[in-house]
Amino acid sequence: KNEVEQSPQNLTAQEGEFITINCSYSVGISALHWLQQHPGGGIVSLFMLSSGKKKHGRLIATINIQEKHSSLHITASHPRDSAVYICAVSEAGGTSYGKLTFGQGTILTVHP
Amino acid sequence: KAGVTQTPRYLIKTRGQQVTLSCSPISGHRSVSWYQQTPGQGLQFLFEYFSETQRNKGNFPGRFSGRQFSNSRSEMNVSTLELGDSALYLCASSLATLNTGELFFGEGSRLTVL
Repeated sequence: KNEVEQSPQNLTAQEGEFITINCSYSVGISALHWLQQHPGGGIVSLFMLSSGKKKHGRLIATINIQEKHSSLHITASHPRDSAVYICAVSEAGGTSYGKLTFGQGTILTVHP
Repeated sequence: KAGVTQTPRYLIKTRGQQVTLSCSPISGHRSVSWYQQTPGQGLQFLFEYFSETQRNKGNFPGRFSGRQFSNSRSEMNVSTLELGDSALYLCASSLATLNTGELFFGEGSRLTVL
């Protein structure tokens, strides 16, 4: 069974700061997802990656398969980035894209 | 293009009752997955359907069931509700191909069991 650990659990930043959220998992995966959840519940998929690095606007996600570790970076943070960020993985060897194991989430608060 | 639609958004039930939640995926998506989110356990996988077949099931009791229709819409049912079933139930749809496994989530159905 895959264990997914995120750090930190809570993160407070000032507007404009560079932010990093980390995710570690215990067994091989086919894909790793970074998700964003705002108050109210709705979840948005930010990235799905299985190797290397992806960038979208101010967000960058990297993954190191050998070290079983991924990071989500936010450059020039803004108060609208305040949300819960969740790391989730699907295990290797399957054809399932929806069977995910989730981290506990990182609560990010960005102050103006 | 319409997103993933979940109904109802909010509902209140009492212990022992049953509930049915609905999820309409993005047009063309054949995979629908369901998740439960609680403050104590976080997000947990319930089940995944693909082309009307249950492909995977999470570690939940048999009171939790689901199905998918030929138009890819999915329903999940919880029978004999318990207080601990109070949660946000989320569904997500996907094209479910090798390079397009990205998940698109609905807004969720918030269930309160009294």
